[in-house]
This record gives sequence, structure tokens and C-alpha cells, in this order.
Amino acid sequence: ETGVTQTPRHLVMGMTNKKSLKCEQHLGHNAMYWYKQSAKKPLELMFVYSLEERVENNSVPSRFSPECPNSSHLFLHLHTLQPEDSALYLCASSQDIGQPQHFGDGTRLSIL
Amino acid sequence: GIQVEQSPPDLILQEGANSTLRCNFSDSVNNLQWFHQNPWGQLINLFYIPSGTKQNGRLSATTVATERYSLLYISSSQTTDSGVYFCAVPPGWLDSSYKLIFGSGTRLLVRP
Repeated sequence: ETGVTQTPRHLVMGMTNKKSLKCEQHLGHNAMYWYKQSAKKPLELMFVYSLEERVENNSVPSRFSPECPNSSHLFLHLHTLQPEDSALYLCASSQDIGQPQHFGDGTRLSIL
Repeated sequence: GIQVEQSPPDLILQEGANSTLRCNFSDSVNNLQWFHQNPWGQLINLFYIPSGTKQNGRLSATTVATERYSLLYISSSQTTDSGVYFCAVPPGWLDSSYKLIFGSGTRLLVRP
């Protein structure tokens, strides 16, 4: 039990589909993050939320849309994705910005 | 931007052996984390160690901030230690410390 739960663990979708990734943290943390890990590339920070406010958007294409309805939940809404978006998407949380980050198990996404 | 280099890129050990993984960074930082990603993609936070030495079981880490490097020691390695070890630092002393820049990792295989 990592304290950060991501669902689904695996997702296969077509380029025209719309799906959402979910992240829930049970640690009472105030900050949450989305990362993308592609094959043979370092982890890339996508979005950061602190107390439900977005504080970082690292030039991520608009086909990725985050949502943070409360400090325990973070979503990543996906639509019209491209094959190069196939990757492991990791969610993390930390007590506050700058504190150690704890990661979920990730969602492995495959775009057909 | 800050550069993070990890060495060696690949390491094969016999079970029971000890090893040292290194992380060099090109600028002063106020935050450094070590992570282990197991073969299933789970990313586990090992240490939050901006300076000094910490120990957790068979693992220990030392960061010498003034010389811009950190070391991760694995003693009496076990097959479950296999995976990729990442170090991550913020982009710079004056930059927001929530942005983690990851190294490319050390891929460790421990053989029985």
C-alpha cells in the first residue's frame, strides 16, 4: 500500500477515444503531480497542483486535461491521443510543494 | 538547465554483493531524492537527502552538496533489488523545488 492509488493499471485506447486516469492519495498531502515516463526517456513532469490550484503546466499538449476536484483526487482526461503518447503515467503527492514525493503504481497507456 | 548524470548506466550483481550508485549534478540544489523503480514500473521513494547520510536497512545514501554528488549504497543485494534507480533534483537552488529533474537511471540486475 503506497498511499497513492492509480486506476486503471493498464489502458488500451484508440486515437479517437476519450478516457480518464484517476489518482487518489490517502496521505493527507496538499500537492499532487502527473508525470509521463516514455521508453528510454527520463520522467517528465506534466502538471502540478497545490491545494487544488494548478501551479505548473509544462507545455503539455491540450489533448491532456488535468482536473483536481479536491486535494485527495487528481484526474488526467485524455482525448484524441497520438501513438507517441503511449507511456507510463505516474501520479505523485507530497505534503506540500517541495516536500518528498510519493508515487503511485502508474497507469500503462497504449494508444492503438 | 541543471544536468543530472547517473553512473553506471547498467550494473549486474551476484546476490549478496555490495554496490555503489552515483549521481552527479551540475548546480547547487536544496533537495535530492533517490527512487527505485521495480520491473513492474512501481516507483518507490527511497531517500530524501539534500545533504548528509541516511540509512534504511540495507540501503544508505550520502549527499555531498558542496561537491554536487550523491551516492546510494546497496549492501548484501537481493534479487528484489533489481530495477532502475533514479536520483532527482530540482532545477536549481533558486527554482521551485517541486520540479524534479530526473537522471537517466542506473539499471540494476541482481542474479540469484
